[in-house]
Amino acid sequence: DGGITQSPKYLFRKEGQNVTLSCEQNLNHDAMYWYRQDPGQGLRLIYYSQIVNDFQKGDIAEGYSVSREKKESFPLTVTSAQKNPTAFYLCASSIWGGGNQPQHFGDGTRLSIL
Amino acid sequence: EDKVVQSPLSLVVHEGDTVTLNCSYEVTNFRSLLWYKQEKKAPTFLFMLTSSGIEKKSGRLSSILDKKELFSILNITATQTGDSAVYLCAVQPGLTGGGNKLTFGTGTQLKVEL
Repeated sequence: DGGITQSPKYLFRKEGQNVTLSCEQNLNHDAMYWYRQDPGQGLRLIYYSQIVNDFQKGDIAEGYSVSREKKESFPLTVTSAQKNPTAFYLCASSIWGGGNQPQHFGDGTRLSIL
Repeated sequence: EDKVVQSPLSLVVHEGDTVTLNCSYEVTNFRSLLWYKQEKKAPTFLFMLTSSGIEKKSGRLSSILDKKELFSILNITATQTGDSAVYLCAVQPGLTGGGNKLTFGTGTQLKVEL
């Protein structure tokens, strides 16, 4: 069954700690994205990747890092530099470029501070 | 900077009512507008609109785009409690404006009561 898998569903971070959120897709999509969702706000783009070994900053990249070593995987690290990391994190994927194809989303990871 | 504004922010209706959700936008080099439904977790794709005046329909949901006035509406007829969700509107720029990147509105929280 094709889809996007995010793990863990819930994550707790201690002060000064880096944590990594996993995102895996088996849709054979080229592009992958990370969004952050805060209460009362829409989704805001953190990073996106069009192709393996390449990624671009989104609107709120500070305090986050990503890697794209495999087509199906796009992990997000929330670093200690991110001072307000409590949020719902959503990963998405899509076909990149030509044609009108929507982004498809995983079920999200809820990150909280201990 | 691309911008999407949704209204109302929240709405409570009774089962059987018809609702209209609004989305206005400003985007460089418009390519498409998308509607998603978000219950607890992953936003699920509803519609993608690229041309003015052409209604897209799926069951009790329908949507239309006005590219001259820069807005879209999402209609839900004969609402049911299962329609309770946050409805997200997003715009996608053309390839020269950022490819498949989406800019989201804050969403409309719809609650359907018995």
